[in-house]
Amino acid sequence: EAQVTQNPRYLITVTGKKLTVTCSQNMNHEYMSWYRQDPGLGLRQIYYSMNVEVTDKGDVPEGYKVSRKEKRNFPLILESPSPNQTSLYFCASSLEQANTEAFFGQGTRLTVV
Amino acid sequence: GIQVEQSPPDLILQEGANSTLRCNFSDSVNNLQWFHQNPWGQLINLFYIPSGTKQNGRLSATTVATERYSLLYISSSQTTDSGVYFCAVCSGTYKYIFGTGTRLKVLA
Repeated sequence: EAQVTQNPRYLITVTGKKLTVTCSQNMNHEYMSWYRQDPGLGLRQIYYSMNVEVTDKGDVPEGYKVSRKEKRNFPLILESPSPNQTSLYFCASSLEQANTEAFFGQGTRLTVV
Repeated sequence: GIQVEQSPPDLILQEGANSTLRCNFSDSVNNLQWFHQNPWGQLINLFYIPSGTKQNGRLSATTVATERYSLLYISSSQTTDSGVYFCAVCSGTYKYIFGTGTRLKVLA
C-alpha cells in the first residue's frame, strides 16, 4: 500500500531533550516536506526537500533540522525542543513539487513541557 | 502570496443532508487538493483536482481554474463525514498553501 509513515504518532517530552520524528514514504517520491498545524495559524511549512541531499527552509524553520540521506526518509530533528514547538506535525511527499498530488502522513502530536 | 479562503467556516447538518463547500484562491495555481481531517487529526486525501470535475462515491469536486474557485459536494452526509475539510493549492513554489478549513458536524 502506498503510504507516508510517521513515527511516533504521539510524544510528550521535556524542554531541551533532543528528539527525532521519522518520516518514510514507499512511493519513490522525489519531493518531501514537513508542516506544523497550530490552532488559528493553520498548516505552515517547516522544511522541504526536492531530492536526496537537497533541502531548504520553509516558512517556520527556526528550531528544526532535517536531513535527506535516502530518497524514502526525511526525518525532522528538534535539537532542543521548547514549549512553543508543541504542535501537530505532518510529513508529506509527492512525485515532484507543485503540480503533482501530495500525500500526507498520519501526523505526530508533540507536546513539550 | 496566494490567499485561500474557504466557506462556510462551520456547518452543521442532519444525517442524509447534502452540502457544498467552497474554496476561493487569489491567483492561478498548478495544483489543488481537497483533504478531510478526521477527529483523530489525520489528513485524508479526497481529490487532486487542478481543474475539471471528479466524483468518488458520495463526494464530488469541481475546480474552475479560470475563475479561481473549487467546490466540494457531499451528498447524503453521514456522521463519519464530520471533521474539517481543507483545500490546498500550489502555485509553483515548493509548498502547499492551505485554506482555513470548513468544520463540518453531521448529527445522527
